[in-house]
Amino acid sequence: EPEVTQTPSHQVTQMGQEVILRCVPISNHLYFYWYRQILGQKVEFLVSFYNNEISEKSEIFDDQFSVERPDGSNFTLKIRSTKLEDSAMYFCASSSRTGGNQPQHFGDGTRLSIL
Amino acid sequence: QKEVEQNSGPLSVPEGAIASLNCTYSDRGSQSFFWYRQYSGKSPELIMFIYSNGDKEDGRFTAQLNKASQYVSLLIRDSQPSDSATYLCAVTISNTGNQFYFGTGTSLTVIP
Repeated sequence: EPEVTQTPSHQVTQMGQEVILRCVPISNHLYFYWYRQILGQKVEFLVSFYNNEISEKSEIFDDQFSVERPDGSNFTLKIRSTKLEDSAMYFCASSSRTGGNQPQHFGDGTRLSIL
Repeated sequence: QKEVEQNSGPLSVPEGAIASLNCTYSDRGSQSFFWYRQYSGKSPELIMFIYSNGDKEDGRFTAQLNKASQYVSLLIRDSQPSDSATYLCAVTISNTGNQFYFGTGTSLTVIP
């Protein structure tokens, strides 16, 4: 069964450094998402992306964050100047169509640890 | 405020019993409802989704939606130890596009 893949599985970074989290969505999907889950807390929406542009973003997704689809397969989340509170599990998801009734399929996540 | 509430549990049921998981939501514009299973340290895995009032069955799982009372539930019949996980309720809202609003999840333990 097609799946969303994320790399790396675990990223350890010094505070203030930049990180790039990578995702390969399911190949025929057109809509991509990033969520994060701080340990012990709920999964929170960060951003959605379609047709090479951001379609929605949450209050969490401030100027520190950016997303990009650099080629036909990868979808990346960049966090500039990381802070301790950015430590979380980051999940990429994709869906085949738009509309609030479409299931989203999640990758296994990248655990980001900021030291 | 777009709140999705779940009892965090833990909920313990014996093997073979029915596990009942509940979720309430605050926004009456909520349109679609999803249940995900999440094992510790793993990604959310889609179990099923429901859009219309009533019941929807898929194997051992049944989702129940009551929009008037603003709750959605998941029943797991013939619970197995492998069903032990955290179950996440996610909701989309008609005027906020595709983003999912998640509850905090209910931890389920099935006791052999």
